[in-house]
Amino acid sequence: NAGVTQTPKFQVLKTGQSMTLQCAQDMNHNSMYWYRQDPGMGLRLIYYSASEGTTDKGEVPNGYNVSRLNKREFSLRLESAAPSQTSVYFCASSETDSYGYTFGSGTRLTVV
Amino acid sequence: DQQVKQNSPSLSVQEGRISILNCDYTNSMFDYFLWYKKYPAEGPTFLISISSIKDKNEDGRFTVFLNKSAKHLSLHIVPSQPGDSAVYFCAASATQGAQKLVFGQGTRLTINP
Repeated sequence: NAGVTQTPKFQVLKTGQSMTLQCAQDMNHNSMYWYRQDPGMGLRLIYYSASEGTTDKGEVPNGYNVSRLNKREFSLRLESAAPSQTSVYFCASSETDSYGYTFGSGTRLTVV
Repeated sequence: DQQVKQNSPSLSVQEGRISILNCDYTNSMFDYFLWYKKYPAEGPTFLISISSIKDKNEDGRFTVFLNKSAKHLSLHIVPSQPGDSAVYFCAASATQGAQKLVFGQGTRLTINP
């Protein structure tokens, strides 16, 4: 059972480049989330999708866009990467009435 | 504005002793609290939770205590084992339906043999 799969695991971008972080879950969960983890800041919510077809901003959405492609997939796009977006990005999913998130193993992104 | 705070970045405990990790919150609307454990190069995994209608929840070696008047919760691990060495995140939610979690900064727990 794969759970939540994130690709790629590592990425280095130059300032101004764009990229899409992919996330897929095989647990038939309705809700999906994107968080970033920075030293001393914990995990901060970027965007979330309560159900297929809906997306909402979290605490730190600036510089990001998301797409809930279908129930399984939730992608995060950086249109013009900045050094401040250097971080570890985690995707998670959960049932609608559950607080128990299942997290992917993360994408370590460096913007130079 | 950090709504969930873990003021100890790190904690070192002897194997077999009790580990106590602390967490404070500021939002009185939070009604559900969780602890997640994270190993290097892995995503966080759910450990234990507590609803605001309770003041204690126990699961094996792990117990979470909630003091609503102080807006404080703690995680007790007894006895501590080397495999408990990890980063522990406290999380809270005030949202019915969307289940958006707000996380603390994390505490790195090291269990010494």
